[in-house]
Order: sequence, then structure tokens, then C-alpha cells
Amino acid sequence: DQQVKQNSPSLSVQEGRISILNCDYTNSMFDYFLWYKKYPAEGPTFLISISSIKDKNEDGRFTVFLNKSAKHLSLHIVPSQPGDSAVYFCAASAPMAGANNLFFGTGTRLTVIP
Amino acid sequence: AAGVIQSPRHLIKEKRETATLKCYPIPRHDTVYWYQQGPGQDPQFLISFYEKMQSDKGSIPDRFSAQQFSDYHSELNMSSLELGDSALYFCASSLAGWGNEQFFGPGTRLTVL
Repeated sequence: DQQVKQNSPSLSVQEGRISILNCDYTNSMFDYFLWYKKYPAEGPTFLISISSIKDKNEDGRFTVFLNKSAKHLSLHIVPSQPGDSAVYFCAASAPMAGANNLFFGTGTRLTVIP
Repeated sequence: AAGVIQSPRHLIKEKRETATLKCYPIPRHDTVYWYQQGPGQDPQFLISFYEKMQSDKGSIPDRFSAQQFSDYHSELNMSSLELGDSALYFCASSLAGWGNEQFFGPGTRLTVL
């Protein structure tokens, strides 16, 4: 049962444009959401997170938006750079319920075209 | 900055053999998590430890066991290996508490022949 879903397995964007990666979840107990970036042969690298009390968190070129009513979050990267090309995983946890382990989406492979 | 260290990076075993994977968390991190990522799949949570005690358990087979030691490093022991155990095994560490990000190691690639 996939509780975190990323319905787009891949995304291609021109350098300088905005990349929007989407993520949906089903478990209403999730109250902490994270985005990780993964290069081949490396572990996931933490990018940005958001708690359920917020609807937006921004860090440089990365912004995460959370729509709790729709159980949807998105990661915006602007401007996109070729070095952003990687697999992006959305993850969720329920720390308020005592469950800190992460539930991952299936990932979206982002390709930024120079 | 020091990161999560996992050893070995690659491991090849035969069916029915045993394997031990090691994880050294970021200094001062007290919580360790183990995840399994099969080919083309997302990482799946196996088990976690906080202050040397098991804190959460996910989809870890009974053939697997894990522990966290007094220096906070953790070991994942896998017995009676099966072909389906071939995967990337990630360890992550964090500080305990709400909203603390998990930092991942580079993973151990286990191949069972």
C-alpha cells in the first residue's frame, strides 16, 4: 500500500525554467514532509522539509508547498540548473503520532536540459 | 562535516549465507534508521533505534535482526539470505525529536547469488 505517491516518474525542464515536482499522500496522520535528492550510487540527500502547520517553506531556489486538504505537496525549483538533474523523492512521517520513520514516494527523475 | 558511514559499500553473498551491515551515524545523532531499496523501488523502512533501544519496526523479515551499540553505531544482521534480499540498504541518522531530518549514508549494495 503506497501511502506516498509521485505519479510522474520523469520530468524534463530547460535550464533557467521552473521545475515542479508533485507528491500526493493518503495517510492523514502524516504531519512532516521532506524532499530528498538522489544521485546514482549515493544515498538520498535532504533538500527541504515542511511541517503540517505551514503551507509554504522556502530555501534559496527550492520552495515546498503543502495543501493539507488535498493531501498534496509540491517542490518548486527556480531557476533550474543542470546540476539539479537527479531523482527526487518525496517523504512523509508522523512524528506527532510517534512514528519518525519515513514513507517514501517512488521518485521523479528530473532532467534539466542545458 | 562528518556524514553517515556505511560498510561495506558492496557485498556479494550466496543464498542461505549470512551478512552483517554496519552503520556509523553522524556524531551526536542518537537515532538510527535502516531502509531497504529494491531495484526500481522506493526505500522501505525496516527498523529504527533510539538510544540503543528499538523504537520502530517496519517491514523487516524475521530473518533479519539489528541492534544499536553503546557508541551509537548500528548493525543489521541478515541470515538465510534469499535472492530477493538483493537491494540497496541505507542507514540514516537523526537527532531524536519532532521535525529532525534524517541524513542518509551512501548505502550498501547487497547482491545475493
